[in-house]
Amino acid sequence: DGGITQSPKYLFRKEGQNVTLSCEQNLNHDAMYWYRQDPGQGLRLIYYSQIVNDFQKGDIAEGYSVSREKKESFPLTVTSAQKNPTAFYLCASSTGFSNQPQHFGDGTRLSIL
Amino acid sequence: QQQVKQSPQSLIVQKGGISIINCAYENTAFDYFPWYQQFPGKGPALLIAIRPDVSEKKEGRFTISFNKSAKQFSLHIMDSQPGDSATYFCAASYNNAGNMLTFGGGTRLMVKP
Repeated sequence: DGGITQSPKYLFRKEGQNVTLSCEQNLNHDAMYWYRQDPGQGLRLIYYSQIVNDFQKGDIAEGYSVSREKKESFPLTVTSAQKNPTAFYLCASSTGFSNQPQHFGDGTRLSIL
Repeated sequence: QQQVKQSPQSLIVQKGGISIINCAYENTAFDYFPWYQQFPGKGPALLIAIRPDVSEKKEGRFTISFNKSAKQFSLHIMDSQPGDSATYFCAASYNNAGNMLTFGGGTRLMVKP
């Protein structure tokens, strides 16, 4: 089955700690995205990547970092600089062509200990 | 100009009724309008999408109506069922590098048995 796998499903962060959220896709998509979703809110774009070894900041990139070393993988690191990291994080992918849907994983819920 | 405004924020409908969710946009360059359905603890899943060259698109009980002159589009769920209870997001995009989507704020739908 083709799809997007996010892990872990739940993650806890201690103060001052960096944590990394995993996102893997086997859809052969070029573009990948990270969103943050707060309770009762819409989706806000953190980072996106159109191609391997290239990525761009989204609307709320401060306190986050990403890498795109492989087409299938787009990990997100939530750094200690992100002062309010508690949220639901969603990874998505698409072909990268205009007017094509984005396909989402089932998210990682990050909480502060 | 990039915003997509979605209403209502929450909606309660009786089983068998019609659920209507509305979205409005400002950017006339938008030319792709998908709707996503999200269940608690899951990622959004593409429900139905429309291009502005048609005024209506129907898939089963789900219909998108599109009014280009008013810059509005809406989702109608006919014969609403308790299993339709979820959060619905409208989105919009235009011919841009990276296939970026702009999301509405979401509507939490509850269908009462």
